[in-house]
Amino acid sequence: SQKIEQNSEALNIQEGKTATLTCNYTNYSPAYLQWYRQDPGRGPVFLLLIRENEKEKRKERLKVTFDTTLKQSLFHITASQPADSATYLCALDGMDSSYKLIFGSGTRLLVRP
Amino acid sequence: NAGVTQTPKFQVLKTGQSMTLQCAQDMNHEYMSWYRQDPGMGLRLIHYSVGAGITDQGEVPNGYNVSRSTTEDFPLRLLSAAPSQTSVYFCASSYRRGAHSATARLEAFFGQGTRLTVV
Repeated sequence: SQKIEQNSEALNIQEGKTATLTCNYTNYSPAYLQWYRQDPGRGPVFLLLIRENEKEKRKERLKVTFDTTLKQSLFHITASQPADSATYLCALDGMDSSYKLIFGSGTRLLVRP
Repeated sequence: NAGVTQTPKFQVLKTGQSMTLQCAQDMNHEYMSWYRQDPGMGLRLIHYSVGAGITDQGEVPNGYNVSRSTTEDFPLRLLSAAPSQTSVYFCASSYRRGAHSATARLEAFFGQGTRLTVV
């Protein structure tokens, strides 16, 4: 069955360091992968989208990589700030081209001042 | 633009009651969906729609009904509430993949959520 895995343990890092979050998937052949940020009590907010034919995408301090051979995406936040503390979710489109967007369970990031 | 609007924000129901969670979007998105979010479970897809008059089941559809009579609205109905339906519900909308150019924005826009408690 299709599965998306994100580290369920919180990632705790020092301000200024680079945070790296992982999204692994099995039994998928997604056309694109997305990353979202979710703050407590709020809905997810879109950050970045990377297509299957793209290896890397950047937006300001954010960088996403997409390795379709390893079936893995890495999400990096450079020069992290306490304001980056949130839960980060990865999402993939459904394997059956039904346009369903399926989410991982998310990884909580805590950036210490 | 208001984006995606969900109502109500909070709701308490008794077991067996029915209710409708409302969702409206003003971005002319074809695709709309409902998710529930439980601690440690992430977002799980309940139902989705690729356009007016078309709906389909997601991962956890039991106990819920949807309809899509217009592009803008996608209500979620709880037929007979159960304590297991206590959760936070999110509605989302986006353009439908393949309906636009390769550079079209495909990200999902979410509402602010509805926190539902069934007692």
